[in-house]
Amino acid sequence: DAGVTQSPTHLIKTRGQQVTLRCSPKSGHDTVSWYQQALGQGPQFIFQYYEEEERQRGNFPDRFSGHQFPNYSSELNVNALLLGDSALYLCASSPGVRRGPSNEQFFGPGTRLTVL
Amino acid sequence: AQSVTQLDSQVPVFEEAPVELRCNYSSSVSVYLFWYVQYPNQGLQLLLKYLSGSTLVKGINGFEAEFNKSQTSFHLRKPSVHISDTAEYFCAVISVQGAQKLVFGQGTRLTINP
Repeated sequence: DAGVTQSPTHLIKTRGQQVTLRCSPKSGHDTVSWYQQALGQGPQFIFQYYEEEERQRGNFPDRFSGHQFPNYSSELNVNALLLGDSALYLCASSPGVRRGPSNEQFFGPGTRLTVL
Repeated sequence: AQSVTQLDSQVPVFEEAPVELRCNYSSSVSVYLFWYVQYPNQGLQLLLKYLSGSTLVKGINGFEAEFNKSQTSFHLRKPSVHISDTAEYFCAVISVQGAQKLVFGQGTRLTINP
């Protein structure tokens, strides 16, 4: 079992550009959540996808959008990048939102985004 | 809404000494509680979780935590630390009902000195 995988590992963009980050969940998991971790801070919830729909959303602007595919993999898109978007973006998968929040969320290694 | 406060941003200890990392939370609804560890350049790994039952929870790598509902705390402890425990530790809560999003504290950097 490969666990949660994310790509790319690192990414450098300039202000105003757009970026797409990718996540493959752990085998058997159908729910994917995205978190932003700024330097020296704890992760902050961006949104959660289940059955190819956005189910929950944190306090992030509409520049942040996502998608979930039939194979449960997910993408995070950020438009009109700002310097403040520089962070580690973490993807987490869990075995099913219907099974409740007690299930562990397994995290991937993250994508380090630098906006210049 | 929930919030989590980790009372120490950095904790330096000597190898084989005991350690306690403090976590307090605030929530208007019942929550589950978690401790995650983040090693350099890696994602988060679950150490332990409290869902219900015994307030003393044992996790991986010799860590344990105690849930105190009256003090809304969930402190993490280890009786004897090793160099390999050097990492960032995050306390998190999730609502038992409603939004299934983890709310994290700011993290505590544990540094083990030989």
